[in-house]
Amino acid sequence: GAVVSQHPSWVICKSGTSVKIECRSLDFQATTMFWYRQFPKQSLMLMATSNEGSKATYEQGVEKDKFLINHASLTLSTLTVTSAHPEDSSFYICSAHDLTTYNSPLHFGNGTRLTVT
Amino acid sequence: GQQLNQSPQSMFIQEGEDVSMNCTSSSIFNTWLWYKQEPGEGPVLLIALYKAGELTSNGRLTAQFGITRKDSFLNISASIPSDVGIYFCAGLNQGAQKLVFGQGTRLTINP
Repeated sequence: GAVVSQHPSWVICKSGTSVKIECRSLDFQATTMFWYRQFPKQSLMLMATSNEGSKATYEQGVEKDKFLINHASLTLSTLTVTSAHPEDSSFYICSAHDLTTYNSPLHFGNGTRLTVT
Repeated sequence: GQQLNQSPQSMFIQEGEDVSMNCTSSSIFNTWLWYKQEPGEGPVLLIALYKAGELTSNGRLTAQFGITRKDSFLNISASIPSDVGIYFCAGLNQGAQKLVFGQGTRLTINP
């Protein structure tokens, strides 16, 4: 079945540095991937829709200059948290459809725990 | 925007008991999905529902897509310790491609 791989699974960085998170669709092509953020004991909040070959679409209130998204190929999307601050510490999760399979649901990566010190 | 109301928010049950949780929406969805999330991991798909009225099972799990397309329920029969986790419902309109999530139901099982 469709598998989405996310890397790294956790990262600790210092304030002011940038962190890149990768999301790969392992056995299917994904023209669209989604990036979510999840705070403790809360549901997933959609941050942006990553579109292969074009600009990402950001949800209201999400700073596009802070959360840079690149979707350079049909199997890889990256989220870069720029100039990270402690309030950016969170659990980031990506997801993707297998568009070649009719009615394929969204499959999620295993998430990346970001801690900014 | 669209919102899903999921209930209950938490459940504390004894091993072997059956579990029921549901989601309602003020608007229509074309697809309902149920996911389970364990600590430190991404959500894992349990059941996908594509037709109004559809009733689908996956082992001890059963879910139904409401006739009105505005609700769905998930039942777990004969719960076991590994059922512990947070269960999320999610609705999808194909045109939008974006999933709308419920708030989650945290399931705790006493052995």
